Amino acid sequence: NAGVMQNPRHLVRRRGQEARLRCSPMKGHSHVYWYRQLPEEGLKFMVYLQKENIIDESGMPKERFSAEFPKEGPSILRIQQVVRGDSAAYFCASSPLVGNTEAFFGQGTRLTVV
Amino acid sequence: GENVEQHPSTLSVQEGDSAVIKCTYSDSASNYFPWYKQELGKGPQLIIDIRSNVGEKKDQRIAVTLNKTAKHFSLHITETQPEDSAVYFCAASRGNDKIIFGKGTRLHILP
Repeated sequence: NAGVMQNPRHLVRRRGQEARLRCSPMKGHSHVYWYRQLPEEGLKFMVYLQKENIIDESGMPKERFSAEFPKEGPSILRIQQVVRGDSAAYFCASSPLVGNTEAFFGQGTRLTVV
Repeated sequence: GENVEQHPSTLSVQEGDSAVIKCTYSDSASNYFPWYKQELGKGPQLIIDIRSNVGEKKDQRIAVTLNKTAKHFSLHITETQPEDSAVYFCAASRGNDKIIFGKGTRLHILP
């Protein structure tokens, strides 16, 4: 059973471009979380999704950021018109059920905005 | 909203000694408390978790304790080894909700 797969592992974008980060959850998992991590810092919650449904997006910036988890295919975190401050590692985790079941993380996408 | 505080931010212990990391949480409805280990350049790895209906859980050299009344929980690593060097994160969650993480503890195992 493959783990959580994130791609790309590294992404470089110029200011103003769009970044699309993909996350394929573990087989059988229907819930996905996205977190952002700055160097030497902790994991900051962004959004929590179930297939075709956003459960909690309280950690997402109001502008430029969006997330989806379609019925088919990976979850996508989309950042429009990137700025230097968006440079960070973005981690996705998946779980089979809500709340108090184990969540497993992918290896992350390291976004660099130049 | 839920807030998780973690201490210390950095911890150095001699190889073979024990390491203890402590966390407190604010939301009394939290009922699930996982711990993650993150090595450089990698994603966080779940190492142990505890649910609110138990006070202690052990897995080989790792143990977690939970005090629901005081709203704090701890990670204990005994007989530390060089491969234990990493950043450790505590977290808290209630059912049907997001997982909130502490800011992490960088653990150094000294030879």
